[in-house]
Amino acid sequence: AQSVSQHNHHVILSEAASLELGCNYSYGGTVNLFWYVQYPGQHLQLLLKYFSGDPLVKGIKGFEAEFIKSKFSFNLRKPSVQWSDTAEYFCAVIPDTGRRALTFGSGTRLQVQP
Amino acid sequence: EADIYQTPRYLVIGTGKKITLECSQTMGHDKMYWYQQDPGMELHLIHYSYGVNSTEKGDLSSESTVSRIRTEHFPLTLESARPSHTSQYLCASSESITNTGELFFGEGSRLTVL
Repeated sequence: AQSVSQHNHHVILSEAASLELGCNYSYGGTVNLFWYVQYPGQHLQLLLKYFSGDPLVKGIKGFEAEFIKSKFSFNLRKPSVQWSDTAEYFCAVIPDTGRRALTFGSGTRLQVQP
Repeated sequence: EADIYQTPRYLVIGTGKKITLECSQTMGHDKMYWYQQDPGMELHLIHYSYGVNSTEKGDLSSESTVSRIRTEHFPLTLESARPSHTSQYLCASSESITNTGELFFGEGSRLTVL
């Protein structure tokens, strides 16, 4: 079965700082990869996704993520964070075959200070 | 904006009570899911359904049960609630045609069992 590790549990940044959140997965086959975001008091929503092709994918609100297959990683980045980026971020993976259900990481709580 | 609704949003009940968490979606999605989320922890899949009259247990063992009599409705039931059931329960759905794994989430039901 696949698993997802997010090593940063809580990150505190000042506005305009650069962000990188780590995500590693374990699965031997082909996967689709996602980052979801949960703003305070709101439901989980999709930030960006990778299925195939260019390993650098761009999402909403200036976020991007790079899939490095050799490292089983899908790190999330943003060059300059804003206070409104304060949220919890979840990495998720789904295998390309077999049972098709998302497996989530434990999440990273990002706090951006004005 | 995703059209998936969960009720109740918050529920506080006593031990031994029977409860049903409702989940409805108006997108015509065949696939629906229930995840359990504790603070600071990953989302754990507890049930999923690929269509009417189809239900499967997820990765995390759960004493809850689900039913899928109608496409749009995927309720979760606890016959006899216990304090260990205290958690947030998230319902989600996805398209079956594209089968990409992208999920649309409800706002969650936060259950507290005293």
